[in-house]
Amino acid sequence: EVQLVQSGAEVKKPGESLKISCKGSGFQFTSYWIGWVRQLPGKGLEWMAIIYPADSETRYSPSFQGQVTISADKSISTANLQWNSLKASDTAIYYCVAITGSRGYWGQGTLVTVSS
Amino acid sequence: AIQMTQSPSSLSASLGDRVTITCRASQGIRNDLGWYQQKPGKAPKLLISAASTLESGVPSRFSGSGSGTDFTLTISSLQPEDFATYYCLQDYIYPPTFGQGTKVEIK
Repeated sequence: EVQLVQSGAEVKKPGESLKISCKGSGFQFTSYWIGWVRQLPGKGLEWMAIIYPADSETRYSPSFQGQVTISADKSISTANLQWNSLKASDTAIYYCVAITGSRGYWGQGTLVTVSS
Repeated sequence: AIQMTQSPSSLSASLGDRVTITCRASQGIRNDLGWYQQKPGKAPKLLISAASTLESGVPSRFSGSGSGTDFTLTISSLQPEDFATYYCLQDYIYPPTFGQGTKVEIK
């Protein structure tokens, strides 16, 4: 069974850095693309970035290029999403997704709250 | 990037109604499209992959069709547990892109 377990909720101040993680199990981590999806409060789903852990090829959606960094460590089947300087507008739920052949498997979500 | 235009953005329907949601891609995406259901406070759930393949455990009242640029999700007879928000997602070109979502509400 494909499982993605994400790190826990975070409360941060504007300007702080953050890395959230997603650990996969039950599937060949290096055979899937792993991505991150943002959901702002009460809003729709936005795909942020995606990585192929086998060779670390990455793709960013235009709105998120330069705003976040996606990475993966295939040795521990973990993908990460990192911010260098958070803004209040980054307050959202972030989901990791393992996707292949139009079939996406989702983590449980990580709530990130950025507030002074 | 491929744009996915989903319609309607919301609809009101009664139990037993037939409901149709559409997604249009800004360019051809073969059948590289999935449909997801999201309920409040939960992660999205995959209903249909490859435009028309029903996922295991998903009720047969859900069906998907289409190829190229135009796609449809149909719920043949709306049940209480189907009130949720539905999204299409293309993964023909990465990064994938979502439709804007369709909120299905009780009439």
